[in-house]
Amino acid sequence: GEDVEQSLFLSVREGDSSVINCTYTDSSSTYLYWYKQEPGAGLQLLTYIFSNMDMKQDQRLTVLLNKKDKHLSLRIADTQTGDSAIYFCAESGTDSWGKLQFGAGTQVVVTP
Amino acid sequence: NAGVTQTPKFQVLKTGQSMTLQCAQDMNHNSMYWYRQDPGMGLRLIYYSASEGTTDKGEVPNGYNVSRLNKREFSLRLESAAPSQTSVYFCASSPNAGALLGEQYFGPGTRLTVT
Repeated sequence: GEDVEQSLFLSVREGDSSVINCTYTDSSSTYLYWYKQEPGAGLQLLTYIFSNMDMKQDQRLTVLLNKKDKHLSLRIADTQTGDSAIYFCAESGTDSWGKLQFGAGTQVVVTP
Repeated sequence: NAGVTQTPKFQVLKTGQSMTLQCAQDMNHNSMYWYRQDPGMGLRLIYYSASEGTTDKGEVPNGYNVSRLNKREFSLRLESAAPSQTSVYFCASSPNAGALLGEQYFGPGTRLTVT
């Protein structure tokens, strides 16, 4: 089956930029997603990128996609304590009826 | 508009007991999903229902059954609980038709412990 891999932990100082990386294997993925999970809560869609795009910017968030290397990254500018959460990378194929394949999640801890 | 609701929030079962996790959404979404979340493993799909009246197995269906009772409700049943089913269970829904494929809305989760 498809695999989505992420590093498990990232520590960043408040005000710095965070970069969370993800690699995936399914070359038919139409969209790639970043979901955020705050403590004790379910996941929320943070942003997404269509597979024919290289970059997408949304306020403090920048998503970069290298389709050749199957590498996705999420950059959070000016990281705040409220950004402390688990971030999941996910992919969907073209025929998956909206099913997603999630990575294991990256725990981001923001320190003052 | 409550979104996706799940009951119960917490549950402790003994090995061999059965229980049903309830999920409901009030967003008129077509598709619904059940996931389990285990440390270091992300979310794994147990079952999903692409539309009312249909259900299909996901990545880890063994030991579980589901019912799509109507468009709003999608329940997950453990017939004979095992310690390996200790996990946090999330229900999600998605509009799918005419919307961003893969945009899912999650409930708050049910934390289940099987002793």
